[in-house]
Amino acid sequence: KQEVTQIPAALSVPEGENLVLNCSFTDSAIYNLQWFRQDPGKGLTSLLLIQSSQREQTSGRLNASLDKSSGRSTLYIAASQPGDSATYLCAVTNFGNEKLTFGTGTRLTIIP
Amino acid sequence: ETGVTQTPRHLVMGMTNKKSLKCEQHLGHNAMYWYKQSAKKPLELMFVYSLEERVENNSVPSRFSPECPNSSHLFLHLHTLQPEDSALYLCASSHGAREVANIQYFGAGTRLSVL
Repeated sequence: KQEVTQIPAALSVPEGENLVLNCSFTDSAIYNLQWFRQDPGKGLTSLLLIQSSQREQTSGRLNASLDKSSGRSTLYIAASQPGDSATYLCAVTNFGNEKLTFGTGTRLTIIP
Repeated sequence: ETGVTQTPRHLVMGMTNKKSLKCEQHLGHNAMYWYKQSAKKPLELMFVYSLEERVENNSVPSRFSPECPNSSHLFLHLHTLQPEDSALYLCASSHGAREVANIQYFGAGTRLSVL
């Protein structure tokens, strides 16, 4: 059974700093991995999707990497801004199973 | 705005009440999903509908009853809930439930409190 872990559960950094969020998964037979953002009281917004054959994806100040063999992904946020404050969720899709398996998320606070 | 609308946004109900959550998508998608998000737990998939047929039911108690009258609407009927059912209920839609590359678009959720 796939399990997804995100550590730390919460992170606070000063504005302008670069930061890395971590995601690990137990079953490396994944089809893809997604990073989502969730603002308080809101639904999820997909940020980046990495296919299993890819090593990374970039969108603006966000860069997600994938190391399937070690069961890890990172989300790198450059030059953080207060608007980046949110909970970031990682989710994987396994081969033969179309369901998303989510981690518990990292709550990020950017301090102005 | 993701194109997936959930109503109501907040709901407080007693254990003997019957209520329904509504989800509507305007994206032309064929698959719709209900998720439960409890504090400090990962999102849990509850139900999946593809082309109006239920294709997934993750051992959800019968006090939760989904309904998908057409590909644009999804309901979750609630009755005799328990306090531990208090959570954020999220609806999502995608092009196809069987497409592993499909991206799901989420609504803002309904915050449910059971007293």
